[in-house]
Amino acid sequence: EAGVTQSPTHLIKTRGQQATLRCSPISGHTSVYWYQQALGLGLQFLLWYDEGEERNRGNFPPRFSGRQFPNYSSELNVNALELEDSALYLCASSLLLGQKNQPQHFGDGTRLSIL
Amino acid sequence: AQTVTQSQPEMSVQEAETVTLSCTYDTSESDYYLFWYKQPPSRQMILVIRQEAYKQQNATENRFSVNFQKAAKSFSLKISDSQLGDAAMYFCAYRSRGGNEKLTFGTGTRLTIIP
Repeated sequence: EAGVTQSPTHLIKTRGQQATLRCSPISGHTSVYWYQQALGLGLQFLLWYDEGEERNRGNFPPRFSGRQFPNYSSELNVNALELEDSALYLCASSLLLGQKNQPQHFGDGTRLSIL
Repeated sequence: AQTVTQSQPEMSVQEAETVTLSCTYDTSESDYYLFWYKQPPSRQMILVIRQEAYKQQNATENRFSVNFQKAAKSFSLKISDSQLGDAAMYFCAYRSRGGNEKLTFGTGTRLTIIP
């Protein structure tokens, strides 16, 4: 069974540009989560999508946005990039079976570097 | 809001010995999930063990076990017979049981295995 896949592995941008990060969940998983792992700050929750809808959002500005496609894959878009956006962006997926929590399985991440 | 605290930024242990990583959390909820994830240099977050708050029995997974003290809001991870492959960042994480599916992470503990 293929795990969570993310692309690209590494992305280099300059300030003010826009970045698009992609995530494919494990087959059968309907929920996708995005986390930001900045150096020294641990993992911070960004966004949660399930069945194509945004279910929850972390404390990030509106220039962080995303979407989930009918095949449950997801994109994270970051507009007007700033230096502090440099981080590892991790995607995770899980089943969402009513109120029964399932563990989240993570991808290898996209390293976003802002020059 | 829930918070997770890992007070040991770094730990080291001799190969084949036992080590315990500490985690405390703060929540007003009575039912929730707790997790330990490891992140080796390869970057992928790997689920090590999970604990459901309503279960009094401590979870175990082979060489990994937890000491869950609900009243003290403590969730430590014990690694027995440490192996070189256990070297990684270890993150403690909290997840509400229903509705809000995000993971709240601690800042991590870097574990070094001494041969």
